[in-house]
Amino acid sequence: TQLLKQSPQFLSIQEGENLTVYCNSSSVFSSLQWYRQEPGEGPVLLVTVVTGGEVKKLKRLTFQFGDARKDSSLHITAAQPGDTGLYLCAGGVDGSARQLTFGSGTQLTVLP
Amino acid sequence: NAGVTQTPKFQVLKTGQSMTLQCAQDMNHEYMSWYRQDPGMGLRLIHYSVGAGITDQGEVPNGYNVSRSTTEDFPLRLLSAAPSQTSVYFCASNTPYNEQFFGPGTRLTVL
Repeated sequence: TQLLKQSPQFLSIQEGENLTVYCNSSSVFSSLQWYRQEPGEGPVLLVTVVTGGEVKKLKRLTFQFGDARKDSSLHITAAQPGDTGLYLCAGGVDGSARQLTFGSGTQLTVLP
Repeated sequence: NAGVTQTPKFQVLKTGQSMTLQCAQDMNHEYMSWYRQDPGMGLRLIHYSVGAGITDQGEVPNGYNVSRSTTEDFPLRLLSAAPSQTSVYFCASNTPYNEQFFGPGTRLTVL
C-alpha cells in the first residue's frame, strides 16, 4: 500500500496570509490530485497533475508535482475565509480505482 | 445534471441490522467507487466497479457487498452492521483518468 503523508495536519491563519501544504510519499505516482472538502459534503476535485515538475494554477491556488513524482505541494496566496476546508491529496498508480491512495488531509481554517 | 446522488443522508442502525446505501450517477461514467471516511484515516476504498456487472474489492471490503446491474447505480450493502462500521460513506464516479466525482455522503451510526 502506498502511503501519502500530508502536512501540516491542521493550519489556522488570518485572511490575506499565504500558506503551503505538502503531500509526500516514498512511492512514485503516475498522477496526483488535490481535492477540497467542506463540512457535510463530498470532496471536490481541484486539479490533476501528471508530469514531474508540473505546475498548475487555479486563481490563487498553485499546485506543483515534484520532479520525481513522489510529492506535491499546494500554495494559496492571500487566503480568504472561503478557502476554509479539508484539503486532500490523492495519488494514482494507474487508471484503476484500486490504486488511488488518499492522504489524511490538511484542515485549513482562514480567519476573517 | 445531478452528478452523483446518495441516499439516505443520515442513518442509525443497531448492531446486526442490514441496510443498503444507494448511489446513482448521471455522468455516464463506467467507473464507480465506494469509500469510507474516518477521522485521521483519510478516504479508504471499500469496493469499486469498472462497468456494469463488474466489481472488485478495495482496501477495506469486509462486511460490505456491492453489485452493478446498470451503469447508473452502484448500491452498497451492509450485511450485519457492527459499531466499527460507524463512518461517513462516499460514493464516487470517476473518469478513466481516475478523477473522482463524489456524492454528498451518508453519515452512518451503528449502535
